[in-house]
This record gives sequence, C-alpha cells and structure tokens, in this order.
Amino acid sequence: DAGITQSPRYKITETGRQVTLMCHQTWSHSYMFWYRQDLGHGLRLIYYSAAADITDKGEVPDGYVVSRSKTENFPLTLESATRSQTSVYFCASSQIQGPKNIQYFGAGTRLSVL
Amino acid sequence: TQLLEQSPQFLSIQEGENLTVYCNSSSVFSSLQWYRQEPGEGPVLLVTVVTGGEVKKLKRLTFQFGDARKDSSLHITAAQPGDTGLYLCAGAKTNAGKSTFGDGTTLTVKP
Repeated sequence: DAGITQSPRYKITETGRQVTLMCHQTWSHSYMFWYRQDLGHGLRLIYYSAAADITDKGEVPDGYVVSRSKTENFPLTLESATRSQTSVYFCASSQIQGPKNIQYFGAGTRLSVL
Repeated sequence: TQLLEQSPQFLSIQEGENLTVYCNSSSVFSSLQWYRQEPGEGPVLLVTVVTGGEVKKLKRLTFQFGDARKDSSLHITAAQPGDTGLYLCAGAKTNAGKSTFGDGTTLTVKP
C-alpha cells in the first residue's frame, strides 16, 4: 500500500534492551522524521534526515540512534531502553514545496519500557 | 529557538458552540500548517497557509494567517462531536527541512 507505515504498532520491552522501530515510505520523499509524543506534550523531534546517508539531531536525540541507507526506510533504535523512553513514536516524511513543508505521518508505535 | 505557542491547551464545549484556537510565535514563518490528530492515529494535514492575511475555509473550519506571518488562528463554527481531537499548528521556513510544532490544543465536543 502507498503511504507511510510504521512497525510494530505496539511494543513492550524491558529496561536495558535494544529496540528498533521501523518506518517505510513509498512516496520517495527526501525528508523523514522521528517524533515522540508524551501526555501533556506535543510532538518532540528526535532525529530527522534530509536524504539517504544524511541525518541530524532534533530536540531530544539522547538515547536514540538512526540510520538511512535507503530513501524509503528510516529505522529508529533505542540502544538501551529506559523507562523514560515509554512513549508514542511517530515517523513522518515530508514533501517540501518552496515555502510549504507538508508532513505525512505514520499511525505511530506505542512503546512501553518496563 | 523558534517557538509556537498554542492556546488554549484544552477546550471542552457543547455541540453547536463556536470556538477559536490560536497559534502564536515571535518568529516569521514562510507557511503554517494545521493538523488534526485523532486518538490512536498520526496527525493529518488540514490546511496550509502561505500568504500574510490569508484566510482559508474548510467546511465549518476557518483558518487565518496573520499579516506578519507570525501567528494563525483556527475557528470552528457549530462544533460537532466529530471535531474532537488534538489540533496542532506547525511553522515552516522556505526550503528548511524541519518544522516547528506547537504543543497542540485538545478539543472535546460533547453531544
């Protein structure tokens, strides 16, 4: 199906384990983003990528690692999960048209770290 | 740091009432996007405004971009329970990769 898909939708893990959240888009958008959304907060940018092999830190990058070897995939890895990383994670891709920056979001991954 | 402040943070109203949500910044943006997010889903784009003073209508929703392109408002007329959700504004600058998101307004419309 066309669009942006995240997997898994739900994940429960334990403190200290490594977890990878997957994100795949079919539009060939150059930009991709990872956000976390916590109760009482809006979207906080973790990492973003302008193109394959180009990534940059966002607002809250500590404890996370990203890679982008192909344009369509942008996985997010929690190297050693902590309880504070319990959150809903959203991936997005972006179509930038001059002044406009329209982002298309996946359905999210709800992660619980016990 | 570019900040977008949304107000109010929470809004609970009865069906049929009107409401306005505000998105304010001290920074100038090239465009501003409004998204709506329903529970368990990702945000979905409602509208993009680009020109200072621009007004766009989407059925009962009216969006306005401030003349100085630093602020925006969303007005809903005769709200319905289906309007319930989290409304997010996001400011963008020309050819910049990332946007600045506000913290959102959680709207609940009671039947």
